[in-house]
Amino acid sequence: DIQMTQSPSSLSASVGDRVIITCRASQSISNYLNWYQQKPGKAPKLLIYAASSLQSEVPSRFSGSGSGTDFTLTISSLQPEDFATYYCQQSYSGPITFGQGTRLEIK
Amino acid sequence: EMQLVESGGGLVQPGRSLRLSCTASGFRFDEYAMNWVRQTPGKGLEWVSGISGNSARMAYAASVRGRFTISRDNAKNSLYLQMDSLRGEDTALYYCVNCGGDSCIRGFVDSWGQGILVTVSS
Repeated sequence: DIQMTQSPSSLSASVGDRVIITCRASQSISNYLNWYQQKPGKAPKLLIYAASSLQSEVPSRFSGSGSGTDFTLTISSLQPEDFATYYCQQSYSGPITFGQGTRLEIK
Repeated sequence: EMQLVESGGGLVQPGRSLRLSCTASGFRFDEYAMNWVRQTPGKGLEWVSGISGNSARMAYAASVRGRFTISRDNAKNSLYLQMDSLRGEDTALYYCVNCGGDSCIRGFVDSWGQGILVTVSS
């Protein structure tokens, strides 16, 4: 199975900050990398697919980049509603696997 | 709007069985593969099983293979997960999910149910 490793595991930031979350795959996955946001008590929500494509209705302050084994999720200017847990997920080969999550907290 | 609603969870003793159901609406159910994904505080998100639209293909995570069985009834727009020989490590929130195509491979999860809790404990 392809292992997905996110860093950091948790992060404290302030409203207006620029935040970068990284995700590394244990082998090359081309651009088959997705990002999800999860808030407490809710199911994950798709933010970015195919490494850099913004899902419909997701604010443009979210962006993704990378290919091969290294990927990033960037939030350009944190808003109060962005404090949540973020997961990367590879869909290059089965079984699909997720990163362990990055918890974004208010500083 | 695509909607997925899970049911059938609860508290069960180790070694016993439980059957989860997922009722779908808002899309042509038989045109899409469906999957189960579970979540625990310790192991995070884990894909469990998937089934093609016509039930011709099923796949399982190694951790559940031989104990869990996925099935679907397209006439009832329903997905099922029969869980036998349950273990403590199967305790999780189970999500019914749709990847919007024939498989989650080379795709993404675009629809999730609200999740149903399964607790395996004596």
